[in-house]
Amino acid sequence: LAKTTQPISMDSYEGQEVNITCSHNNIATNDYITWYQQFPSQGPRFIIQGYKTKVTNEVASLFIPADRKSSTLSLPRVSLSDTAVYYCLVPAAKIIFGKGTRLHILP
Amino acid sequence: GAVVSQHPSWVICKSGTSVKIECRSLDFQATTMFWYRQFPKQSLMLMATSNEGSKATYEQGVEKDKFLINHASLTLSTLTVTSAHPEDSSFYICSARVVGELFFGEGSRLTVL
Repeated sequence: LAKTTQPISMDSYEGQEVNITCSHNNIATNDYITWYQQFPSQGPRFIIQGYKTKVTNEVASLFIPADRKSSTLSLPRVSLSDTAVYYCLVPAAKIIFGKGTRLHILP
Repeated sequence: GAVVSQHPSWVICKSGTSVKIECRSLDFQATTMFWYRQFPKQSLMLMATSNEGSKATYEQGVEKDKFLINHASLTLSTLTVTSAHPEDSSFYICSARVVGELFFGEGSRLTVL
């Protein structure tokens, strides 16, 4: 199982770009990297998934270096509603969550 | 995307009673579902992996006789907290995997008085 490590918390301001990095040193060759967002008292919600290089969708970008031992979730121009906990996962046979990053957006 | 629905979204019960939480995949069949528990300000903790038609696989430290998991069909898994106590009060979340992507239910908040 690939263990993931993220910063415990981050603060940013509205309109800024936020980058959250996750390390997953023992990721396996076939593993994908997936990021989820969770609001209080809700289930996690899928944000983005990638295998290598860069993936972009309507809400975020995911950057994965060649060695795939880390990944960076990039949220462009955050708003107050982006305040949440963000988890990076390397789903395998079992889905183990790390501690996640508590992102707090300030006005 | 695929939809996973949990019911009830919240439940309050007396100590010693049993509570059942349902997890349904609404538009797909899920051979495997996962059950998590989450305490305030903490991450999700995997409790068990539920496999359709067979026994669930429990994580170390999770009492299988207390947290009964049944996955009788491809669209329904249930978690029954038996003889609930206040320390079982938590947020319970189920998920299902579809082609490598995980979909989560809305969660069920259990409060045991």
